[in-house]
Amino acid sequence: DGGITQSPKYLFRKEGQNVTLSCEQNLNHDAMYWYRQDPGQGLRLIYYSQIVNDFQKGDIAEGYSVSREKKESFPLTVTSAQKNPTAFYLCASTLEGPGSSPLHFGNGTRLTVT
Amino acid sequence: AQSVTQLGSHVSVSEGALVLLRCNYSSSVPPYLFWYVQYPNQGLQLLLKYTTGATLVKGINGFEAEFKKSETSFHLTKPSAHMSDAAEYFCAVRAGYSSASKIIFGSGTRLSIRP
Repeated sequence: DGGITQSPKYLFRKEGQNVTLSCEQNLNHDAMYWYRQDPGQGLRLIYYSQIVNDFQKGDIAEGYSVSREKKESFPLTVTSAQKNPTAFYLCASTLEGPGSSPLHFGNGTRLTVT
Repeated sequence: AQSVTQLGSHVSVSEGALVLLRCNYSSSVPPYLFWYVQYPNQGLQLLLKYTTGATLVKGINGFEAEFKKSETSFHLTKPSAHMSDAAEYFCAVRAGYSSASKIIFGSGTRLSIRP
């Protein structure tokens, strides 16, 4: 079945360490997104990529970095510069097309930094 | 600029009762509207979407939503709640004619079902 795979599901890191979250999709979608979810705050866009080798900052990109070397993959690195990294991270993708194209989501990675 | 407001961060209903989750949007162009559901520690799953045409949209799990342009609303309803409906629900709006346009999410409504 096609879908989006995020790994790992739970991730624990010490403060000051960089950490990379994986996102792979086999839906042949063009665009991929990273969102951060905190309780009561909905989803906030970190980065997005419409095509390979190109990506744009979202609303809260500071302290994060991404790459898009392959259509299927869009890893997110949470750097030590991110002041409050503990959160639930969601990867999503969509097919290029009309505005009615919905986002498809992975099952998320819960990152805890202590 | 577009925005989404979900009224009520937490809604509690009895099993078998009507579910009503409220969503109001702001958009400068005709919007595309979506409702998603999220179960604990999982991603978001599309419930339904409004594009154009019929204003009453039917989705999965017995949910439906009605687009009311005059009220800028897109409320989600289900006639009879089931225990399995307990989850968080997100309304979202995309104000643009292509998938490259940004989607804005509301802050979510947590639905609890009382036995």
